[in-house]
Amino acid sequence: ETGVTQTPRHLVMGMTNKKSLKCEQHLGHNAMYWYKQSAKKPLELMFVYNFKEQTENNSVPSRFSPECPNSSHLFLHLHTLQPEDSALYLCASSQERGAYEQYFGPGTRLTVT
Amino acid sequence: GNSVTQMEGPVTLSEEAFLTINCTYTATGYPSLFWYVQYPGEGLQLLLKATKADDKGSNKGFEATYRKETTSFHLEKGSVQVSDSAVYFCADQGGTGGSYIPTFGRGTSLIVHP
Repeated sequence: ETGVTQTPRHLVMGMTNKKSLKCEQHLGHNAMYWYKQSAKKPLELMFVYNFKEQTENNSVPSRFSPECPNSSHLFLHLHTLQPEDSALYLCASSQERGAYEQYFGPGTRLTVT
Repeated sequence: GNSVTQMEGPVTLSEEAFLTINCTYTATGYPSLFWYVQYPGEGLQLLLKATKADDKGSNKGFEATYRKETTSFHLEKGSVQVSDSAVYFCADQGGTGGSYIPTFGRGTSLIVHP
């Protein structure tokens, strides 16, 4: 595998379910990011990790819980979501948290029913 | 905070037409500037970048020049193809007192007809 991978690619979950999104980067980067992309809205930064430490939480509701066990892996744990949380969730990585370009995964299309 | 403004889409062109997508930024100092492209069903991927004033980024026939005097980074291509149909995002990062997290524009959808 190369680049940034995300699993699953599609997820349908009920509002009472608990699920997790997984992101893995094979680029040797030290910073990882979660974004939410909704139709007709700007790309929303959710969380940033730099060298496994969370450096940004962009006022994200607590029903989204990130985890970064090492610099290569990033998870987004989901519980008791709302229908408005349906979106494309994108993971990205960069060399470090700085003025470096980001490399994105293909995203997980989440539908909350 | 900083903001990046792109022209509203969709932009609809015929194959081989000239493309311009405008982008302006508000960050002060000398932020790095990027264009990303998102093809249907995929994540964003870097198209080109420029890190200092008057730099020209280029890739796959696309070009953009870092204009400090007009705080702009317009994307151009001389002859578009159907395969260029995608959403294009302008972004800035860094600058004086600026965040090292990218600020993205809202994206401009490009549709190219044969």
